[in-house]
Amino acid sequence: GAVVSQHPSRVICKSGTSVKIECRSLDFQATTMFWYRQFPKQSLMLMATSNEGSKATYEQGVEKDKFLINHASLTLSTLTVTSAHPEDSSFYICSARPSGGAKEAGELFFGEGSRLTVL
Amino acid sequence: AQKVTQAQTEISVVEKEDVTLDCVYETRDTTYYLFWYKQPPSGELVFLIRRNSFDEQNEISGRYSWNFQKSTSSFNFTITASQVVDSAVYFCALSAYTTSGTYKYIFGTGTRLKVLA
Repeated sequence: GAVVSQHPSRVICKSGTSVKIECRSLDFQATTMFWYRQFPKQSLMLMATSNEGSKATYEQGVEKDKFLINHASLTLSTLTVTSAHPEDSSFYICSARPSGGAKEAGELFFGEGSRLTVL
Repeated sequence: AQKVTQAQTEISVVEKEDVTLDCVYETRDTTYYLFWYKQPPSGELVFLIRRNSFDEQNEISGRYSWNFQKSTSSFNFTITASQVVDSAVYFCALSAYTTSGTYKYIFGTGTRLKVLA
């Protein structure tokens, strides 16, 4: 089946530094990728929709200057947490939907997730 | 409003018992898709099933079965003869249309299933 790779799986950083998380679709092209954040024992909260070649669409309440998203190619989207603080510690999950076909029909393929800990 | 409700926060069963996870959704769309995902302790979400709004046939896949009823806006998931490996958090999701002309996925709060040996 389709594979989405997310890297790094775990990252620990000091407060004030920036952290970049990569999301790659390994065997399909993805015009659209999604970034989610998950707090312990909670659901997935959609942060933003990443669109190849254009600006990301952020959900209400998500700081676009804090969470920079770049979708430079059809197989790669990156999330950069800038000037990270302890409250940014969370599990970040990306997902991708294969391009083509009815947009609403595509299932989402998820990356393995990245656990960020900000000290 | 688009919404997915999973009222069961946590369920514990003994191995070999059957268990049903409930999912109720709200949407004004006439065309939509429903999904179930499994999240084991490792964190990765695993796709289980997709169902479109025009297909109300129940589906069975091994020990898994799904009951989609538009009349009650429910898409329930049953595991027959549960096993310890079924222990995970299960999410129900709805593919919803946005005003910008795209679709996004709305997840329920998840149900944590614990299968005891």
